[in-house]
Amino acid sequence: EVQLVQSGAEVKKPGESLKISCKGSGYNFANYWIGWVRLMPGKGLEWMGLIYPDSSETRYNPSFQGQVTLSADKSISTAYLQWSSLKASDTAMYFCARHYDYTSSWYGYWGQGTRVSVSS
Amino acid sequence: QPVLTQSSSASASLGSSVKLTCTLSSGHSSYIIAWHQFQSGKAPRYLMKLESTGSFNKGSGVPDRFSGSSSGADRYLIISNLQLEDEADYYCETWDSDIWVFGGGTKLTVL
Repeated sequence: EVQLVQSGAEVKKPGESLKISCKGSGYNFANYWIGWVRLMPGKGLEWMGLIYPDSSETRYNPSFQGQVTLSADKSISTAYLQWSSLKASDTAMYFCARHYDYTSSWYGYWGQGTRVSVSS
Repeated sequence: QPVLTQSSSASASLGSSVKLTCTLSSGHSSYIIAWHQFQSGKAPRYLMKLESTGSFNKGSGVPDRFSGSSSGADRYLIISNLQLEDEADYYCETWDSDIWVFGGGTKLTVL
């Protein structure tokens, strides 16, 4: 069974750094792109970018380029979303997702989400 | 890149049917979309892939009450025999040239 399990909720102050994780199981983690999606309070979903764990190749939504960093460690089947300096506006739920199958482009599996709260 | 437009809210009575709409922007009416269900406290759920022809493929375990159809640039998610557990936010998704986009989501209330 394909599963994506994300790290727990985080409460941070502006300017702090943060790295959240998404651990895949039940499939060959290295060979499926992992995407990240933001859900801000009262807003819709925003696609942030994706990473191919086998090569660590990334694609970013231009709106998020330079604001976050995607990385992955295929040896432990885990992808990461990282901020070097959080802002209050980063307060949101963050989801990782995997494509439905090897030939599909739509997301078929989701992590449970990580809530990030940034406040002074 | 494509833009997906959804109504912000919808409501329907328990046991009835509802049709949620996701509209593709001009020039993108042939695009495949996917529907997803988001409920507070639960992992999001992939519901189905939906093509411009109206052909759809559901995710594992998605009840038969969920179906899809298409008309031009519109992609529909149809939920019949509504249950309380169907109360959720529903998002459509599409992609183009390594960019993925989501609709604004429809909040479905079951009365």
